[in-house]
Amino acid sequence: QVQLVESGGGVVQPGRSLRLSCAASGFTFSNFGLHWVRQAPGKGLEWVAAISYDGDEKYYGDSVKGRFAISRDTSKNTLYLQMSSLREEDTAMYYCAKDSKYGDLGFDYWGQGTLVIVSS
Amino acid sequence: DVVMTQSPLSLPVTLGQPASISCRSSQSLVASDGSTYLNWFHQRPGQSPRRLIYKVSNRESGVPERFSGTGSGTDFTLKISSVEAEDVGVYYCMQGTHWPPFTFGPGTKVDIK
Repeated sequence: QVQLVESGGGVVQPGRSLRLSCAASGFTFSNFGLHWVRQAPGKGLEWVAAISYDGDEKYYGDSVKGRFAISRDTSKNTLYLQMSSLREEDTAMYYCAKDSKYGDLGFDYWGQGTLVIVSS
Repeated sequence: DVVMTQSPLSLPVTLGQPASISCRSSQSLVASDGSTYLNWFHQRPGQSPRRLIYKVSNRESGVPERFSGTGSGTDFTLKISSVEAEDVGVYYCMQGTHWPPFTFGPGTKVDIK
């Protein structure tokens, strides 16, 4: 079965960096685009970034553009999110999500999330 | 960016009764290929979101038949024919037609009266 397991979250000071990972299993990793979606405490969902199945195309939300970088390693079946110049407003649960198996523009599986707290 | 709105934002429901959530987009979600990429997700407290519906009206595998999606253009509805206790949580609509970015509605919190 499909599994997405995020890790790397924690408490970090404003201005510092953090790298999140998402280990994938149960599907052919190199066939699907992947996404990061975040949720601030008590708030709604915000799409953060996407990477194409082959890693050639990357897209970012305006709030993280220029500060975050999405990447993937097919040899490790792992998705990454390198977060730099972190701000308090980046505090959130970060979920990785997989492109739909039906080829529609949506996410059919989500991980359990990893919590990032940006605080001095 | 496409703005998604939902109503109501809070929905107290009675077990066994129907429930309905509305989602509206700031522009038509009909894509150039003719498809409409409107998704519905359910998030139970303390859990990650789970997709219920894709392309307006298609149920994900394993989603109970009591969930249905309808709509077109800019107006969409998620209906639960008979609410069960496990249906509590927050429901989000999300558009994919005009990505990037993917945009979500603010969420509708469903709880039991």
